[in-house]
Amino acid sequence: NAGVMQNPRHLVRRRGQEARLRCSPMKGHSHVYWYRQLPEEGLKFMVYLQKENIIDESGMPKERFSAEFPKEGPSILRIQQVVRGDSAAYFCASSPSFSGFDTGELFFGEGSRLTVL
Amino acid sequence: AQSVSQHNHHVILSEAASLELGCNYSYGGTVNLFWYVQYPGQHLQLLLKYFSGDPLVKGIKGFEAEFIKSKFSFNLRKPSVQWSDTAEYFCAVTATSGTYKYIFGTGTRLKVLA
Repeated sequence: NAGVMQNPRHLVRRRGQEARLRCSPMKGHSHVYWYRQLPEEGLKFMVYLQKENIIDESGMPKERFSAEFPKEGPSILRIQQVVRGDSAAYFCASSPSFSGFDTGELFFGEGSRLTVL
Repeated sequence: AQSVSQHNHHVILSEAASLELGCNYSYGGTVNLFWYVQYPGQHLQLLLKYFSGDPLVKGIKGFEAEFIKSKFSFNLRKPSVQWSDTAEYFCAVTATSGTYKYIFGTGTRLKVLA
């Protein structure tokens, strides 16, 4: 599955800068999930979006983090004023329908690794 | 709130050994259950899933998992592992109502020695 594209694959930022991570879902998929992976912590749910709508953002930190999935173009995860604790791998997944229940499967990208110096 | 626990963070086995990875979830309603695998340097991919019906589910590459509702468990098994099974395994759960977000466990890193 090479369908979910994330870029950049690696991103280095200094403290205080902004990080923008992009995710292009598989063709025909209208639902996008973002997860953060920290060592020994597994995949932490951040946000679930449908085109032009945020369905569930209960995993997003209250400050500095935002996500969007516009009608046209990729989904963007934006982290403002990054801190060292934001260093992690950020994974995007897409599904073709509400929760992907047609197949029950999320399709993952290869992740974006953010390093904050 | 939903949560998923995977008890073993690191497992080391020799080839041909049997594998069982534990997964327990916490949720009061009806759930769907999944196991995903992440091979080194690759993206996560679905190994198997349970929606309803036969609680013993068979997936790809000889893996299977059993849903035991009374124990809130969905353990992954394989009778005989291979070196190529070296990977990280994630259990996941999603409710059948609400916002359908997928909650993942912390993962189990399996290393199979040749």
